[in-house]
Amino acid sequence: GDSVTQMEGPVTLSEEAFLTINCTYTATGYPSLFWYVQYPGEGLQLLLKATKADDKGSNKGFEATYRKETTSFHLEKGSVQVSDSAVYFCALSPQAGTALIFGKGTTLSVSS
Amino acid sequence: GAGVSQSPSNKVTEKGKDVELRCDPISGHTALYWYRQSLGQGLEFLIYFQGNSAPDKSGLPSDRFSAERTGGSVSTLTIQRTQQEDSAVYLCASSLGQTKNEKLFFGSGTQLSVL
Repeated sequence: GDSVTQMEGPVTLSEEAFLTINCTYTATGYPSLFWYVQYPGEGLQLLLKATKADDKGSNKGFEATYRKETTSFHLEKGSVQVSDSAVYFCALSPQAGTALIFGKGTTLSVSS
Repeated sequence: GAGVSQSPSNKVTEKGKDVELRCDPISGHTALYWYRQSLGQGLEFLIYFQGNSAPDKSGLPSDRFSAERTGGSVSTLTIQRTQQEDSAVYLCASSLGQTKNEKLFFGSGTQLSVL
């Protein structure tokens, strides 16, 4: 069945470092791909999404490109801030009328 | 309402007791989802509603778990004869339920502790 695999954390970085969180997926069709973020003490919220191959989603300095050839949707940010410390979840939506499938989450900790 | 509302926010119960968790989705959202979040396990899908029907309940871990949705709005997740391994944060989310590109809106969750 459809699934999402993301790199295990925790990821610990210094402020202004470059961030990559890897995410790969398995899907039979043409899913939409998402990154959700959970800040400490807050609920899950959408960070960015891409709905077809080669689309790039971006928000708050984060980017991810939908790569069908490598079945990947890696999250990147050029310069992280302490406020980016959170748990990041990669997810896919196989088709309308089905539930979102999430990866296990990657904890990011940024220190000043 | 303004967002997805879940109650209670915290629930402590004794092993063997039944619990009910409530979710009030955003008005007009036809799709409603229940997930479970455990340490080290990420987000585990439990059940999905479209209106009052549940086309996918494949994630319910055992027959002790059940859920219903009435009036296309409020949903209740019931866990019977709770076990310690049921301890987790139970998250509810809702969406418009029309396309696969939609954003899910999550509630703050119910932290369930089974002693």
